[in-house]
Amino acid sequence: GENVEQHPSTLSVQEGDSAVIKCTYSDSASNYFPWYKQELGKGPQLIIDIRSNVGEKKDQRIAVTLNKTAKHFSLHITETQPEDSAVYFCAASKTGGFKTIFGAGTRLFVKA
Amino acid sequence: GAVVSQHPSRVICKSGTSVKIECRSLDFQATTMFWYRQFPKKSLMLMATSNEGSKATYEQGVEKDKFLINHASLTLSTLTVTSAHPEDSSFYICSATAGVSFQQTQYFGPGTRLLVL
Repeated sequence: GENVEQHPSTLSVQEGDSAVIKCTYSDSASNYFPWYKQELGKGPQLIIDIRSNVGEKKDQRIAVTLNKTAKHFSLHITETQPEDSAVYFCAASKTGGFKTIFGAGTRLFVKA
Repeated sequence: GAVVSQHPSRVICKSGTSVKIECRSLDFQATTMFWYRQFPKKSLMLMATSNEGSKATYEQGVEKDKFLINHASLTLSTLTVTSAHPEDSSFYICSATAGVSFQQTQYFGPGTRLLVL
């Protein structure tokens, strides 16, 4: 079945620096890749997503890139701020009634 | 748009009692709702998938009689933890999609923290 690996598990950056989180997936039929941010004690919130017909998508300080050949996608956060500190989950899914597979999560710490 | 609510946000109950958690899509009709369980510092573990008006599909290892799911309308799904025990203590999160395929975006509720004494 589909497997999603996420790295690193923990990431600490200085405020203003960039943060990059990487995920790989195993099922080449996967065609939808969302990223979620989860703050302590809250539910995950969608921050950006990308579909397989697009290589890159950007929304202000957040961008996601997708390499279908290598089966990996990455989240890029620029000019990090303390409020970016949270756990980030990548995920992959495909059409046809299949469930979404989540990565193990990356705990991001942004030091002021 | 795409807001999902859960109630209650926190619940403490005695061992042996049943607890019902509600999940509502506030501004869209949810064709499919999902129930997850999350352990501390872990990822989301899918428990079951439910479609309005039909029986839920449970993941392997999840007891159907223990975790009762009802998806009575396009905006409401409930999870009932029956005869709760301390090992059922966890963070339960629902999500909902508006599309006809599972590819569509999942919007998550804020979660319910259950503590069974």
